[in-house]
Amino acid sequence: DAGVIQSPRHEVTEMGQEVTLRCKPISGHDYLFWYRQTMMRGLELLIYFNNNVPIDDSGMPEDRFSAKMPNASFSTLKIQPSEPRDSAVYFCASSDHGNHNSPLHFGNGTRLTVT
Amino acid sequence: DQQVKQNSPSLSVQEGRISILNCDYTNSMFDYFLWYKKYPAEGPTFLISISSIKDKNEDGRFTVFLNKSAKHLSLHIVPSQPGDSAVYFCAASAAQGGSEKLVFGKGTKLTVNP
Repeated sequence: DAGVIQSPRHEVTEMGQEVTLRCKPISGHDYLFWYRQTMMRGLELLIYFNNNVPIDDSGMPEDRFSAKMPNASFSTLKIQPSEPRDSAVYFCASSDHGNHNSPLHFGNGTRLTVT
Repeated sequence: DQQVKQNSPSLSVQEGRISILNCDYTNSMFDYFLWYKKYPAEGPTFLISISSIKDKNEDGRFTVFLNKSAKHLSLHIVPSQPGDSAVYFCAASAAQGGSEKLVFGKGTKLTVNP
């Protein structure tokens, strides 16, 4: 089991550019989550999917953020246009039931820096 | 507003001693609590959990205590080892939400000195 795979590990971009973060969940997991970690706010849930369908995107900060899950093995989080305040570590996580009997498995994150 | 609070950003202990990490919560609907451990440049990994029907759960060197009346939980590590040095996140969820409503604290950085 390769675990949750995220790419890229690091992304440095200029303000106004489009950023796409990628995630491959653990095979067989039907829940996928995107989290953002900052010093000020800690780990925040942005959006989660169940069986590729977005269930709750209330944590998405604004319309500049969008997420898709075209199939069970791939998801993207896109920021367009990016702003310096988007600088953070973005984590993808998956689980096989979406309840607390099935803890989240996190990827190693993408560190985003927007200058 | 922070529903899950870890008021100590950092903690330093000596190898072999007990580490106690604390967590407070405000939402009385939370009924399941978890601790995650995070090493630098890695994602958080699940460590231990406790349901609100219990007040203690033990797994090897790790024990979590829950005080519902005080809305407080703690993680005890005995004995502490240098490899335990990491950031520890407390998290909570409500039964109706399951893990999709997992709320995390900001974390406590534990340093275990040899």
